[in-house]
Amino acid sequence: QVQLVQSGSELKKPGASVTVSCEASGYTFTAYALNWVRRAPGQGLEWMGWINTKTGNPTYAQGFTGRFVFSLDTSVSTAYLHINSLEAEDSAIYYCAKGGRYGGTSHWGQGTMVAVSS
Amino acid sequence: DIVMTQSPLPLPVTPGEPASISCRSSQSLLHSNGYNYLDWYLQKPGQSPQLLIYLASNRTSGVPDRFSGSGSGTDFTLKISKVEAEDAGTYYCMQCLQTPLTFGGGTKLEVK
Repeated sequence: QVQLVQSGSELKKPGASVTVSCEASGYTFTAYALNWVRRAPGQGLEWMGWINTKTGNPTYAQGFTGRFVFSLDTSVSTAYLHINSLEAEDSAIYYCAKGGRYGGTSHWGQGTMVAVSS
Repeated sequence: DIVMTQSPLPLPVTPGEPASISCRSSQSLLHSNGYNYLDWYLQKPGQSPQLLIYLASNRTSGVPDRFSGSGSGTDFTLKISKVEAEDAGTYYCMQCLQTPLTFGGGTKLEVK
C-alpha cells in the first residue's frame, strides 16, 4: 500500500536550518508529483508547492520562495524539504503529499513538527 | 489565486443525524473536460489529512458510502448521511484546478 513516512520532530533555534525527509513506498515514486503542505498553529492548511519527481523541477507557492528548497533522491524514493534561516513563524507541521491521478493529492505523510525557538 | 470559503464552522452534530458542509470557490472549478477539480479531506485530531472525495463527487477507496460530494462550478457540498463518532474532525475542501492549490478554512465537525 502507498505510504509516505516523514522524519521526526525538530527543535531549532532562529537562524538555523532544517531538513524534513519524506520516504515513499508502495508506488512508482517518479510517476506522481510530490507536494508540500504546511499547517501553522491555529491555522489551516497551506500549500507550499510541489516537485516534479521525473525532472526534479520544483515549483514554489508565493511566500515559500528563497528560504525553502525542495529536492529529491529518486534512488531511495525520498523527497526533502530544506528550510534555511529559520524564523519563529516557520514553526508548524509540515506534510508531504503524493500527487493524485487527477491533480491534487492522494496520500499524505504523517507530518513533521518543526519548532523554532530561542 | 482561487479563494475557497467553507461554512459552517464549527458544526455540532448528534450521532445518527445528517451533516452538510458547504464550500464555495471564487472561480469556477469546472474544467473543459467536464470534471470539477474539487477535493474533500478529513483531518482527525493528531492525524494527517485523508482524501475523502476527489473531483467533487468520487469517493476514495475505503471511504464509507455515508459520505457524498456534490456540486459544480463554484458551489460544492459534502454530506454525511448519518454521522458517527469516528467522523469527528476538521473537514477541508481544496481546489486543484490550478496552482497554487488552495484550501478552505476548514469546518470542525463536533459529534455531540
